[in-house]
Amino acid sequence: GAVVSQHPSWVICKSGTSVKIECRSLDFQATTMFWYRQFPKQSLMLMATSNEGSKATYEQGVEKDKFLINHASLTLSTLTVTSAHPEDSSFYICSAMGTGVAREVTRYNEQFFGPGTRLTVL
Amino acid sequence: AQKVTQAQTEISVVEKEDVTLDCVYETRDTTYYLFWYKQPPSGELVFLIRRNSFDEQNEISGRYSWNFQKSTSSFNFTITASQVVDSAVYFCALSEIVGTSGSRLTFGEGTQLTVNP
Repeated sequence: GAVVSQHPSWVICKSGTSVKIECRSLDFQATTMFWYRQFPKQSLMLMATSNEGSKATYEQGVEKDKFLINHASLTLSTLTVTSAHPEDSSFYICSAMGTGVAREVTRYNEQFFGPGTRLTVL
Repeated sequence: AQKVTQAQTEISVVEKEDVTLDCVYETRDTTYYLFWYKQPPSGELVFLIRRNSFDEQNEISGRYSWNFQKSTSSFNFTITASQVVDSAVYFCALSEIVGTSGSRLTFGEGTQLTVNP
């Protein structure tokens, strides 16, 4: 249990276009989802935290108008990179936390990670 | 604010050597969790271990072992008889409870482990 998927796994787009990345919890209800960004040879940096049905909370320095996060259901959160530029090229990883059948999901308040989406902006 | 430090940026060993990855953390909370993750070249994070702040018992899982020392705020990870497949970036992370139902995960900078044949 506790599987998180992301789609697409990789995407290439032209500068100025918008890209949407989906994050789904497959076997549990994700009350909270997190979005991270990882540049090459760097660590994961938390971008924002979203709770189902409410607005996302963004970390300092992350532009909320550029990185739109929607957490409309208990199994889906989306990250839209608007007007993408080459400097937005990165590896985006989501994680989810919530309730479900699997004991480890609720017992340890743990985040479960998706496989990541590699974004390249030309 | 919480902080995780992995002082070793890169480690290179020869296969079958033992290797220890260091992790030092800072937090003001008395209740927290510590994690280790492996990130192979594919990018997907692989969960290795979780330890809560009240459990200082060391753990061994196959070739992996972890040493949690609360007195020195360290949570070190040792791979015994390393193998080429162990080559990856390893992250130490600290989770603290935020509010009534939230948690915040802070990652260290990661250690790139290369195991040469």
